[in-house]
Formats: sequence, structure tokens, C-alpha cells
Amino acid sequence: EPEVTQTPSHQVTQMGQEVILRCVPISNHLYFYWYRQILGQKVEFLVSFYNNEISEKSEIFDDQFSVERPDGSNFTLKIRSTKLEDSAMYFCASSVSGAQETQYFGPGTRLLVL
Amino acid sequence: AQSVTQPDIHITVSEGASLELRCNYSYGATPYLFWYVQSPGQGLQLLLKYFSGDTLVQGIKGFEAEFKRSQSSFNLRKPSVHWSDAAEYFCAVLPAGGTSYGKLTFGQGTILTVHP
Repeated sequence: EPEVTQTPSHQVTQMGQEVILRCVPISNHLYFYWYRQILGQKVEFLVSFYNNEISEKSEIFDDQFSVERPDGSNFTLKIRSTKLEDSAMYFCASSVSGAQETQYFGPGTRLLVL
Repeated sequence: AQSVTQPDIHITVSEGASLELRCNYSYGATPYLFWYVQSPGQGLQLLLKYFSGDTLVQGIKGFEAEFKRSQSSFNLRKPSVHWSDAAEYFCAVLPAGGTSYGKLTFGQGTILTVHP
């Protein structure tokens, strides 16, 4: 069964460094998403992406964040200058077509900012 | 404001016992409703969803959920819990009508512990 994959599974970085989290959505999916879950808190929406542009973003998704689909398979989340409070589990998700479709999630990347 | 509430942070049941996890939402109109499960070290796996139609929906692993419009609830149930069901369960909603671009809103999760 097709699945969303994410790399790396864990990332440790120093405050102020740039990180790129990578995701490979399910191949025939057209909508892509990033969510994050700070330890002990809810899963929060960050951004949705369709047709090579952001469809919607949350207030969390400020200028320090960016997303890109650099090729036909990868979908990346970049944090330009990490802060301690960026430490979280980051989930990528994708859906077939239309924003009302079921979203399928990857296993997540655990980011720790020191 | 739109919100999703899972009143129970942690539930403990014995193996073989029945289970009900509660979810309430606050939205202007009936949203699309989902239950996801997250096992330790795993991603979020979809258990079931409700878009419209029959208010009792069946999912994977023997789970079902019932949508009750009058109570703004979408509770998850299982008649007999197995030890492998121990995990964290998330209720999530998606505004209906095509304006949300897929912004799922999650409840805070319910951790399920299963005793042998």
C-alpha cells in the first residue's frame, strides 16, 4: 500500500541553524500539508500546498518557514533559523485531489533544537 | 471559534472490555470528521471518517464511530479492546464546503492504556 515517507526520522540542530525536512507524498496525490506536534500539545496545521503554491497557512507559518516541491516527488519544509520552540514532531501529509479528501500522514520527523 | 475537544486525556481499560472515546466539535456547520490513531514511534493512521450519509461509520481494526449532530459529537467505539489497541487517538475535523484547503483541526488526543 502506498505511503507517505519522511526523512530524517530524527534531527538535532543548534539554535539559529537552517533545517530542511523532507517528505515523499503518495505518488498520485496533488495536495500536500505540513503539521507539527509540540510534545504534549495538539497536532497543529502549518501549511497546505497545491499546484506549486501555498493554499493556506497558519499563523505559526511565518517568514522563517518555507515549503517547496523541488521535483516531481519530494515536498520539503525549510526552517531558516531555528528557535528552541521549533522543537516538535513534524508530520507531512498528502491527499488525492481537492482539499476535502482524506489526508494520509507520514511517520514524522522529530526535530530537537538545542 | 472553531474547536475540537477530547475530554479524556487518558483512558485505561482491560483487554476485552468495550471502549468509547469522546469527541466534541464546535463549528458553524457540520464539518467532515475523522479519527486517527498514533502508535508509539508511528505516524497518524486513519481509522475512519464521516463526510455524509449514515451516521454510524465503520473503520479499520474493528472501530466504529457515530456522528450525532444534536450533540456535535463523533465518539469512537470498539466492542472489545485488544492489547494492540494501546495508542493515542486523535479526533480531527475539516470544514466542509471547500474553503479550508485541507486545514485539519485536531483534538488534544486521548491516550489509551490496555491492561491484560
